[in-house]
Amino acid sequence: EVQLVQSGAEVKKPGESLKISCEGSGYRFTSYWIAWVRQMPDKGLEWMGIIYPGDSDTRYSPSFQGQVTMSADKSISTAYLQWSSLKASDTAMYYCVRREYDDYYFDYWGQGTLVTVSS
Amino acid sequence: EVVMTQSPATLSVSPGERATLFCRASQSVSSNLAWYQQKPGQAPRLLIYGASTRATGIPARFSASGSGTEFTLTISSLQSEDFAVYYCQQYNNWWTFGQGTKVEIK
Repeated sequence: EVQLVQSGAEVKKPGESLKISCEGSGYRFTSYWIAWVRQMPDKGLEWMGIIYPGDSDTRYSPSFQGQVTMSADKSISTAYLQWSSLKASDTAMYYCVRREYDDYYFDYWGQGTLVTVSS
Repeated sequence: EVVMTQSPATLSVSPGERATLFCRASQSVSSNLAWYQQKPGQAPRLLIYGASTRATGIPARFSASGSGTEFTLTISSLQSEDFAVYYCQQYNNWWTFGQGTKVEIK
């Protein structure tokens, strides 16, 4: 069974750094792209970027370029999303999602990580 | 960026009735269109890909059609578990989502 299990909720202050994780199981982690999707409170879905764990090739949405960093550790089947200096506007639910192997839609979603940034 | 526009924003439907949701792309996305369902407090779930193909385990009451810039998702007879927010997504040119249609109980 394919699963993407994300790290738990975080509460941070503005200016702090953060790294959240997404562990894949039930499939060959290195062969599927992993994307990150943001959902701000009571808002829609926004694609942030995508990483290929096999070689860490990464593409960012222009809206998120320079704002976050994506990485992956294929030895432990885990992808990461990190911020160096959080802002209140980063408060949101973040989902990791798997891109289907032969096509480009998102077939499996993690349960989400809620990030709250507040002073 | 391809802008996806969904209508209506909210759809009030009685259980057992048909619901029709619309999605329009700002430029052609061919058939590279997916639909997702999101229930409160849950992650989205893939319903449809390739504009009209149901994902594994999705009931036959969900059907979809369209290509190019105009797409439709139809739920033939709404069940209680179908009341949720539905998003369309194009994956022809990177990925963008519509703003969602909330299907609520009338």
